[in-house]
Amino acid sequence: NAGVTQTPKFRILKIGQSMTLQCTQDMNHNYMYWYRQDPGMGLKLIYYSVGAGITDKGEVPNGYNVSRSTTEDFPLRLELAAPSQTSVYFCASTSSDSRQETQYFGPGTRLLVL
Amino acid sequence: AQKITQTQPGMFVQEKEAVTLDCTYDTSDPSYGLFWYKQPSSGEMIFLIYQGSYDQQNATEGRYSLNFQKARKSANLVISASQLGDSAMYFCAMREARGGGSYIPTFGRGTSLIVHP
Repeated sequence: NAGVTQTPKFRILKIGQSMTLQCTQDMNHNYMYWYRQDPGMGLKLIYYSVGAGITDKGEVPNGYNVSRSTTEDFPLRLELAAPSQTSVYFCASTSSDSRQETQYFGPGTRLLVL
Repeated sequence: AQKITQTQPGMFVQEKEAVTLDCTYDTSDPSYGLFWYKQPSSGEMIFLIYQGSYDQQNATEGRYSLNFQKARKSANLVISASQLGDSAMYFCAMREARGGGSYIPTFGRGTSLIVHP
């Protein structure tokens, strides 16, 4: 099992450009999450999904969009990149929505918007 | 109000000594879960330990233990016999029920631990 994979590992964007951060998991997990981590801060939830076709906003969804057409994939779309979106982005998944389930994290995507 | 508070931005410990990383939380939900994750300089998030709100015993995983004081709403991580490889950021997180019953995780800001030889 590869677990949770993310591509790309690093990307530089110009202001106003768009891009999609890819996230794939091979553990057949229903629940998937996107977080951003700013320097010196914890993880803030952007969007999450409880299954294919179902997504919901987290704490900081503005400027992002997601889709979940399959169980495995949960891409994050940035439409008009802004310097405030410079961050490290983590995708995570978990098998069930219960209080004891830990999350499995991808390696992260470092994004720089100039 | 912050759900998870980690008041120590940085901690230093001598190799082979024990260290406690503080975490307090805020919830009105009687059913919740508490987690600690380690993030080394390479950036990945590594799960360390879990404590459920109904668990009577403090959780332990090898050199890691969780000092759970429910009435004080604290969930401190204790690392015994620190090793150089323990130098990393440590995050406390909580899963509590939100509207609709989903247990959405919330993370603290983290504590940077440096282990000196």
